[in-house]
Amino acid sequence: EAGVVQSPRYKIIEKKQPVAFWCNPISGHNTLYWYLQNLGQGPELLIRYENEEAVDDSQLPKDRFSAERLKGVDSTLKIQPAELGDSAVYLCASSLGQSGAPRETQYFGPGTRLLVL
Amino acid sequence: AQTVTQSQPEMSVQEAETVTLSCTYDTSENNYYLFWYKQPPSRQMILVIRQEAYKQQNATENRFSVNFQKAAKSFSLKISDSQLGDTAMYFCAFMKPHQTGANNLFFGTGTRLTVIP
Repeated sequence: EAGVVQSPRYKIIEKKQPVAFWCNPISGHNTLYWYLQNLGQGPELLIRYENEEAVDDSQLPKDRFSAERLKGVDSTLKIQPAELGDSAVYLCASSLGQSGAPRETQYFGPGTRLLVL
Repeated sequence: AQTVTQSQPEMSVQEAETVTLSCTYDTSENNYYLFWYKQPPSRQMILVIRQEAYKQQNATENRFSVNFQKAAKSFSLKISDSQLGDTAMYFCAFMKPHQTGANNLFFGTGTRLTVIP
């Protein structure tokens, strides 16, 4: 079974440029998460989707960050414009959500490492 | 708000020896889930072990076991017969159960474990 897929793995951009990250969750997983992981820190949630609905985006900086999960499968996270402080690893995770067991276990992708110059 | 504290930024252990990583958390919830995740240098976060708070029995997964002390809000991870492949960052995480079975993970800052040959 394929795991959570993310692309690109690495991205270097100049500040004020836009950038987008893509995530494809494990097949059948209803819930999708985007996390931000700064160097030396644990991941912090940016947004959680249940199917195509964003049910928790309270930590998403909406002035420059946006996300979508059309059709409730894969998802895109965008930053526009990027700032120096956005340099971090962006992790995507998925879980079964409403059905199956153990529903609570989240499976993570390899992440996208972003460097803003 | 839930907080997770890992007081050991770095630890090392000799190969084949046993090591214990500490984690404490703060919550007013009675039912919740606790996790240990491993993040090797490749950065893919992998679930090591999970514990449901309503279960008194400590979870075990092969060489990995936990010491769950609910009253003390402590959740330590014991790795027996340490192997070189255990070298990684280890994150303790807390989750409050949600009605749909999916909720957000709150991570500690991690412990970097090095297994010495």
